[in-house]
Amino acid sequence: QDQVVPSGAEVKEPGASVKVACKASGYTFTRYGFSWVRQAPGQGLEWVGWISCYNGDTNYAQKFQGRVTLTTDSSTTTAYMDLRSLRSDDTAVYYCARVELGQMLPDYWGQGTLVTVSS
Amino acid sequence: EIVMTQSPATLSVFPGERVTVSCRASQSVYDKLAWYQQKPGQAPRLLISTASSRATDIPARFSGNGFGTEFTLTISSLQSEDLGVYYCQQYRHWPLSWSFGQGTKVELK
Repeated sequence: QDQVVPSGAEVKEPGASVKVACKASGYTFTRYGFSWVRQAPGQGLEWVGWISCYNGDTNYAQKFQGRVTLTTDSSTTTAYMDLRSLRSDDTAVYYCARVELGQMLPDYWGQGTLVTVSS
Repeated sequence: EIVMTQSPATLSVFPGERVTVSCRASQSVYDKLAWYQQKPGQAPRLLISTASSRATDIPARFSGNGFGTEFTLTISSLQSEDLGVYYCQQYRHWPLSWSFGQGTKVELK
């Protein structure tokens, strides 16, 4: 049974970094990629970037270029989003959405990880 | 980057009414347009892909239309379970990129 389980909620101070994980199981990890999408409280959806679990190819939204790094670890079938220089407006639920390679839309969404940035 | 603009921001409707949500792209996305429904505390749920194709198990009262830069999502007869926020999304294959409209909240009048 396919599963994507996000890591737990995080509280960080401004200027810090956060690493959010999505642990995949029940399917062939390298046949998919992950898009990361965030949603600030009461706000809309915002695309952060995408990574291929096959070869690590990435594409980032312009807004996050230089501040976010997406990686994967095939040995643990886990995808990661590393966001640096956190600001209060980075407070959001961060979703990983699984996308089969060659497709463009997700077939599975993780439940999301709440990242709170506060001093 | 392609900017998606939705209107209206909020729709207040009676059960059984017809609902139409509009979405405009800043440049042509051809038919690479999807619609999602999101309920509080849940991840988005795909309703429509390629502008007009209903996803699996999506009721026939949901329909999508449009091509290029102008798109619409229609709910022919609003049911109570349809309340939530609706987002349009454009998508591009290589490299994969997405962008979303700002959302339209559908609520009961």
